[in-house]
Amino acid sequence: RKEVEQDPGPFNVPEGATVAFNCTYSNSASQSFFWYRQDCRKEPKLLMSVYSSGNEDGRFTAQLNRASQYISLLIRDSKLSDSATYLCVVNRDNTGKLIFGQGTTLQVKP
Amino acid sequence: DTEVTQTPKHLVMGMTNKKSLKCEQHMGHRAMYWYKQKAKKPPELMFVYSYEKLSINESVPSRFSPECPNSSLLNLHLHALQPEDSALYLCASSPRVDNEQFFGPGTRLTVL
Repeated sequence: RKEVEQDPGPFNVPEGATVAFNCTYSNSASQSFFWYRQDCRKEPKLLMSVYSSGNEDGRFTAQLNRASQYISLLIRDSKLSDSATYLCVVNRDNTGKLIFGQGTTLQVKP
Repeated sequence: DTEVTQTPKHLVMGMTNKKSLKCEQHMGHRAMYWYKQKAKKPPELMFVYSYEKLSINESVPSRFSPECPNSSLLNLHLHALQPEDSALYLCASSPRVDNEQFFGPGTRLTVL
């Protein structure tokens, strides 16, 4: 079993749709959590850090449930430019070693 | 300056060559990282430097040799690579090791 698991998709949605990505992690001692997006042949870019209280940035909302070891990302009113791979990332023990999920591919269609 | 830069963007080398990848940041970050990424896979950590000292080596073969000359610079020296080492090499930095990391654009390496 992978330490960070994501549904690889692809998720194909129309513009304007709401889409949710889920991620689970196996190490209960994990300390910090992030969502990154990666466009084809580009570097990962930090989308959001994820906190237990939940956080929102415009159309994006991230939630962390430590009891269930579950992280989510909600994208509202999807845009064509949201098409990318979304990586769920855990900083397991704050040593700088990031554990990446396999990524979820989103394709937003007109 | 809020970015991580990497040079070169592309590199083609033979198995007997010696080359170096360079990474630079001027954000005052004290942690820097090297990752390797193959197509359709997530990045894999290779090395972590914290306050210019190597803190993690993920059992990387000795043909990859990292160097941190100062707090802004990180190099990766390459020697006697194999074709399977062809990948995107990403550098990242963060204020400290427990913070979010910011990635450079990467060097796309091809080993012939």
